[in-house]
Amino acid sequence: SQTIHQWPATLVQPVGSPLSLECTVEGTSNPNLYWYRQAAGRGLQLLFYSVGIGQISSEVPQNLSASRPQDRQFILSSKKLLLSDSGFYLCAWSLLGRATGYGYTFGSGTRLTVV
Amino acid sequence: AQSVTQLDSQVPVFEEAPVELRCNYSSSVSVYLFWYVQYPNQGLQLLLKYLSGSTLVESINGFEAEFNKSQTSFHLRKPSVHISDTAEYFCAVVQGGSEKLVFGKGTKLTVNP
Repeated sequence: SQTIHQWPATLVQPVGSPLSLECTVEGTSNPNLYWYRQAAGRGLQLLFYSVGIGQISSEVPQNLSASRPQDRQFILSSKKLLLSDSGFYLCAWSLLGRATGYGYTFGSGTRLTVV
Repeated sequence: AQSVTQLDSQVPVFEEAPVELRCNYSSSVSVYLFWYVQYPNQGLQLLLKYLSGSTLVESINGFEAEFNKSQTSFHLRKPSVHISDTAEYFCAVVQGGSEKLVFGKGTKLTVNP
């Protein structure tokens, strides 16, 4: 069966420090991968999505970047965190070409607090 | 572009009362609709989905949602809620051929004893 792992679960980082959040999927190949941010009262904001290695689309201009070094690995990064980067970050995957039928499967999330 | 509106940001109810969480989407040809539930500090879990066929879909824990094409709605209902149903609920839509779900802003359901 397929599983998605996301870590760390919580993170407290000072302003100006770098960030690296990792997400991996097991049990499937060539998944679509997504990074969302959830801020209080603002719902889910799609940050990046990837339909294959080296193919990453950015939805919102921001202080963050994403990379997909391996088929089932998706990394969210920042060189210098801002206070506004605080939030709950969620990774998700779907089967390529089948998001319409199966929706997404989400990881357990990372609570990031920038201080 | 697709959009989803969840009119109620918070819904407080008493235990064993019925509840309806509203969801409306922008009209488009062949959309697929989902409800997700998020418990505190957890990821989202798929609750139920509408792809085609019967317009009434049910989940294993007593929730149901009805697809209404004329009103472009996909409201979530439960006839009798439990304390354990306290969570945030997200409606989502994807257009046929797209790989991206569009989410509503969520509705926080609080069930009080």
